[in-house]
Amino acid sequence: KQEVTQIPAALSVPEGENLVLNCSFTDSAIYNLQWFRQDPGKGLTSLLLIQSSQREQTSGRLNASLDKSSGRSTLYIAASQPGDSATYLCASPIYNQGGKLIFGQGTELSVKP
Amino acid sequence: DVKVTQSSRYLVKRTGEKVFLECVQDMDHENMFWYRQDPGLGLRLIYFSYDVKMKEKGDIPEGYSVSREKKERFSLILESASTNQTSMYLCASSLAATREQYFGPGTRLTVT
Repeated sequence: KQEVTQIPAALSVPEGENLVLNCSFTDSAIYNLQWFRQDPGKGLTSLLLIQSSQREQTSGRLNASLDKSSGRSTLYIAASQPGDSATYLCASPIYNQGGKLIFGQGTELSVKP
Repeated sequence: DVKVTQSSRYLVKRTGEKVFLECVQDMDHENMFWYRQDPGLGLRLIYFSYDVKMKEKGDIPEGYSVSREKKERFSLILESASTNQTSMYLCASSLAATREQYFGPGTRLTVT
């Protein structure tokens, strides 16, 4: 059974700092790993999806990596800005349940000006 | 860009009412999902659908039903709303089971 964990639950950094968010999963036979951003009271915005055959994906200041052997994915945010403040969630799909996503509990990021 | 829309951002209903939450996607996606999100419990799957008129129970289907009469529309129905169904409801869609999942803006439902 796939379990997804995100540590820490909350993170506060000064503006401009580079930072890494962590995501761990128990079943290395994953199809992909998806990172989302959620602002308070809003829906989820898809940031990056890494297929199981990929090692990393990049979008602007974001870079996500995947290491299936260690059961880890990281989301790297370069030159953080106050607008990056949000909760970041990682998730992995269960194929035989229609792609139901198993989510981590999220990391609440606060970037201070 | 994929767009998933939900009929209401905020909804207040009374206990015992029948409640309809609608979700529409514009990218011809096969799979659609309804999740609820609660503090401390995270996101939990209520129902999903992999084709028109096809539905499967998720982790917490009790008290809910769904309808998918057209490919682009997936409705969540609370047959008789209860206070423990106060929550944020999120709809999502994807082209296939292992493809990127896109979420709507969410409906904050309060049952009094």
